[in-house]
Amino acid sequence: SQTIHQWPATLVQPVGSPLSLECTVEGTSNPNLYWYRQAAGRGLQLLFYSVGIGQISSEVPQNLSASRPQDRQFILSSKKLLLSDSGFYLCAWSLGGGFTPPQETQYFGPGTRLLVL
Amino acid sequence: AQKVTQAQTEISVVEKEDVTLDCVYETRDTTYYLFWYKQPPSGELVFLIRRNSFDEQNEISGRYSWNFQKSTSSFNFTITASQVVDSAVYFCALRPAAGGTSYGKLTFGQGTILTVHP
Repeated sequence: SQTIHQWPATLVQPVGSPLSLECTVEGTSNPNLYWYRQAAGRGLQLLFYSVGIGQISSEVPQNLSASRPQDRQFILSSKKLLLSDSGFYLCAWSLGGGFTPPQETQYFGPGTRLLVL
Repeated sequence: AQKVTQAQTEISVVEKEDVTLDCVYETRDTTYYLFWYKQPPSGELVFLIRRNSFDEQNEISGRYSWNFQKSTSSFNFTITASQVVDSAVYFCALRPAAGGTSYGKLTFGQGTILTVHP
């Protein structure tokens, strides 16, 4: 079965510091990967998605970037955090493999709570 | 553009009551998928159901049931005989079936906070 991991679980960072959140998926190959942000416990916003290694699509211009150095690893980064970057970051995966099965469902990881002070 | 509206911000019920969570969506796509996710206090989103736009059959899974009505663009979720463990935030979401610029994009509603009191 497939599992998705995220770390760290919680993070408190000062404004202006760098950020690196990691997401890994086990039990599947070439998944589609997604980063979402949830602010104030409501409403999820898609930040980035990736259909393969090195292939990143950005949905919202922002202070963040994403990378996919390995097939099942997805990293969310920032060079300088802003107060507005605080939130709950969720990584998700869905079946990929170069095509999208018509019944793709996204499965979410446990999330990382980020507080920027 | 896609939009999902969950008009009920918060619902509070007493255990064993039935409760319905409303979801109304807007899309120009002719084929699409609808989802419900549960977010317990731990934060992880738990997948509950996926429904194809071309399949309007309602579905029941234990105490959960879903009513999909394409004519009114609604995909409502009913919990029968609610329990305290049902307390969570519930999200309705929409995704186009085809690719293109909307590839993989799940559009979420703002969520409904359900509190079930003992």
